[in-house]
Amino acid sequence: EAGVAQSPRYKIIEKRQSVAFWCNPISGHATLYWYQQILGQGPKLLIQFQNNGVVDDSQLPKDRFSAERLKGVDSTLKIQPAKLEDSAVYLCASSPLQSSSYNEQFFGPGTRLTVL
Amino acid sequence: AQTVTQSQPEMSVQEAETVTLSCTYDTSESDYYLFWYKQPPSRQMILVIRQEAYKQQNATENRFSVNFQKAAKSFSLKISDSQLGDAAMYFCAYRSAGSRYYGGSQGNLIFGKGTKLSVKP
Repeated sequence: EAGVAQSPRYKIIEKRQSVAFWCNPISGHATLYWYQQILGQGPKLLIQFQNNGVVDDSQLPKDRFSAERLKGVDSTLKIQPAKLEDSAVYLCASSPLQSSSYNEQFFGPGTRLTVL
Repeated sequence: AQTVTQSQPEMSVQEAETVTLSCTYDTSESDYYLFWYKQPPSRQMILVIRQEAYKQQNATENRFSVNFQKAAKSFSLKISDSQLGDAAMYFCAYRSAGSRYYGGSQGNLIFGKGTKLSVKP
């Protein structure tokens, strides 16, 4: 079974530029998450989708960040314009929607963003 | 709001020895899940072990086991017979149980700051 795919793996941009990250979850997984992991900290949820609907975007800085999952499969996270403090690893995770138990989240390799 | 605290930024263990990583959490909920994730330098987050709050028995996965103290809100990870491949960042995470019925939303994970584990040969 293929895992969660993310691209690009690394991105370097200057502040005020725009950047987009792509995530393809595990096939059949209804729930998709984007996390931001700043160096030295644990991941923090930015947005959670269930199919193509947003479940939780309370911690997404909506003035500069946007995300979409139009067909309920892959997703794009965009930052426009980027700030220095956006330098972080952006992790995508997915989980199945089943009727039982806790449903493990499977993580992608992440995209490391450096804003200069 | 729920919080997760890992008070050990770094830990070190000799190969083949046992090490315990600490985690405490704060919540007013009675039904939740707790996890330990491993993040090697390549950054792919991998689930190590999980615990359901309503289960009193501590979870065990091969060399990994937890000590879950619900009243104390403590969830420590014990790694036995440490191996070089165990070296990584370890994150403790909390998730609300949410809706257990089909179609219910899955709560997101709330992570601690992590503990960097080094294994000495």
